[in-house]
Amino acid sequence: NAGVMQNPRHLVRRRGQEARLRCSPMKGHSHVYWYRQLPEEGLKFMVYLQKENIIDESGMPKERFSAEFPKEGPSILRIQQVVRGDSAAYFCASSQGQNYGYTFGSGTRLTVV
Amino acid sequence: QQQVKQSPQSLIVQKGGISIINCAYENTAFDYFPWYQQFPGKGPALLIAIRPDVSEKKEGRFTISFNKSAKQFSLHIMDSQPGDSATYFCAASLGSGNTGKLIFGQGTTLQVKP
Repeated sequence: NAGVMQNPRHLVRRRGQEARLRCSPMKGHSHVYWYRQLPEEGLKFMVYLQKENIIDESGMPKERFSAEFPKEGPSILRIQQVVRGDSAAYFCASSQGQNYGYTFGSGTRLTVV
Repeated sequence: QQQVKQSPQSLIVQKGGISIINCAYENTAFDYFPWYQQFPGKGPALLIAIRPDVSEKKEGRFTISFNKSAKQFSLHIMDSQPGDSATYFCAASLGSGNTGKLIFGQGTTLQVKP
């Protein structure tokens, strides 16, 4: 069991480019959560997805951010036209369901230059 | 209402000492309170969790104390070791019947001196 796999581990993008962050949940887990961690801060919820469905996106910025979890393949967090303020660590977590504990991945550290 | 406030921001403890980290919340609908440990460059890992129907839960050297009336909960690390040096986050969730999203505290950086 490889755990929650996130890639890339580090991503550097210039302002205005697109960032695509990928998350493969643990085997048997169909629930995926994305969180963002700014330097010296706690994690902030962004979005909760099940296969092919967005369940709760109350933490997603209204513009430039989107997420998907297709029937096949990893969950993708997409940030269009990145700005310096998007620089952060983005963590994905997966679980068997809403009442189960999470397992987090090691994160993708996005740097916008 | 949705905030979880954590203190202290940083903590230095001698090896063998007790580390205590505190959290407070406002929303009485929260019903699941986990603690996560995070090492540099890694994702948070679940350490221990409690539900509000118990006042204390112990797992090895880690204990959660929960005070429902005060809306506070704390993590105690007994016999602290240098390997415990990490950032610790408390969190709260609306849990059953909701989306299960976690509201995290700001984190406490613990340093255990040998």
